[in-house]
Amino acid sequence: AQSVAQPEDQVNVAEGNPLTVKCTYSVSGNPYLFWYVQYPNRGLQFLLKYITGDNLVKGSYGFEAEFNKSQTSFHLKKPSALVSDSALYFCAVRPPNYGGSQGNLIFGKGTKLSVKP
Amino acid sequence: AAGVIQSPRHLIKEKRETATLKCYPIPRHDTVYWYQQGPGQDPQFLISFYEKMQSDKGSIPDRFSAQQFSDYHSELNMSSLELGDSALYFCASSVGGRSSYNSPLHFGNGTRLTVT
Repeated sequence: AQSVAQPEDQVNVAEGNPLTVKCTYSVSGNPYLFWYVQYPNRGLQFLLKYITGDNLVKGSYGFEAEFNKSQTSFHLKKPSALVSDSALYFCAVRPPNYGGSQGNLIFGKGTKLSVKP
Repeated sequence: AAGVIQSPRHLIKEKRETATLKCYPIPRHDTVYWYQQGPGQDPQFLISFYEKMQSDKGSIPDRFSAQQFSDYHSELNMSSLELGDSALYFCASSVGGRSSYNSPLHFGNGTRLTVT
């Protein structure tokens, strides 16, 4: 079965420190990987994606993610956290779909990031 | 830039009533997805449409139905509402087709449905 795991329910970081939000996946074939952020009572906003190519992907708001095929991981990182980064972060995978339409996203359970001043 | 528009933002219904949620995708997006997010939960895929045809089906209950219209907007119809249907319902849109597997989904702000 295809799945995404975010092992941490919450990550606490001091402002200015680097942050990492972990994600591992289990999917057959080469997956398409995404990170989304959700602020309270808002929809999910796309941060970045990995399709192919360089393992380090840069996205919005200074976030980046590192794809590691051998460890089946796609951890989200930021060199210096901001208080405004506090939100719920979802890792998602879209399994390869060779049919006529694109497949849906499978989300992890989400990780709440709390950045303290 | 235009975003995905969902209406209404909030909806309160009683058990056994019906509800209709609407979604207007980003212009030129031909694929619409519906997700349900319970309190403290990750979004669960319900159903999607590509070029007005159902393309994928997830955990959508038989009491729910959806369709995509000629202008690409979509409606999620929910009948015989239950307390457990209380959740945030998101619509997302993207450009569909074989070459679009790497296209991110663009989400609306959701409709919060409360069933009492």
